[in-house]
Amino acid sequence: AQKVTQAQTEISVVEKEDVTLDCVYETRDTTYYLFWYKQPPSGELVFLIRRNSFDEQNEISGRYSWNFQKSTSSFNFTITASQVVDSAVYFCALSESSNSGYALNFGKGTSLLVTP
Amino acid sequence: NAGVMQNPRHLVRRRGQEARLRCSPMKGHSHVYWYRQLPEEGLKFMVYLQKENIIDESGMPKERFSAEFPKEGPSILRIQQVVRGDSAAYFCASSPRVTLNTEAFFGQGTRLTVV
Repeated sequence: AQKVTQAQTEISVVEKEDVTLDCVYETRDTTYYLFWYKQPPSGELVFLIRRNSFDEQNEISGRYSWNFQKSTSSFNFTITASQVVDSAVYFCALSESSNSGYALNFGKGTSLLVTP
Repeated sequence: NAGVMQNPRHLVRRRGQEARLRCSPMKGHSHVYWYRQLPEEGLKFMVYLQKENIIDESGMPKERFSAEFPKEGPSILRIQQVVRGDSAAYFCASSPRVTLNTEAFFGQGTRLTVV
């Protein structure tokens, strides 16, 4: 069963639009961590954020913001005023205490294309 | 402080050959994870190793795949008799200790192409 669901396979926006990437997770643990990674066309994984299950405070970092809601098991990611350089595949991931070594469960990713 | 180093970055093998992927963890990190990313897919956990021990290989295919993390030297993911379906990006991550609060650092990946 998929533990992390990113329902949006591809999103295309025009530069300067805001865009929200959805992430829904499933876990029985009370303590867990959620992550977002960016994978640009060059292929490496870029760490964006890590959030623990006890901290539901929304976070903002420049044009990026994250909305964590335990009630709906969601950890959504919003890019404000998108730019062409934001074009990438974005992965949401879950780390649970029940995973050996706290290995990550990744979603299938959302491919974001920002056009000029 | 160098990050997680994977080599080669790109590897081309003919069907039936062996592929060896190397991962040098960050200095001081004794925990290594291997993930596989098939085309158009997210990363899937393959194996978790500590120095000289395989802790969890539940994500590894039962045949042809093996991993090691010796006392000295890099971690090696070995794929014998490669087939086209093994074409993927293989990522290694390392961490200094195993707690839920510890971030794992990823290498840049090795892209294996089987022709």
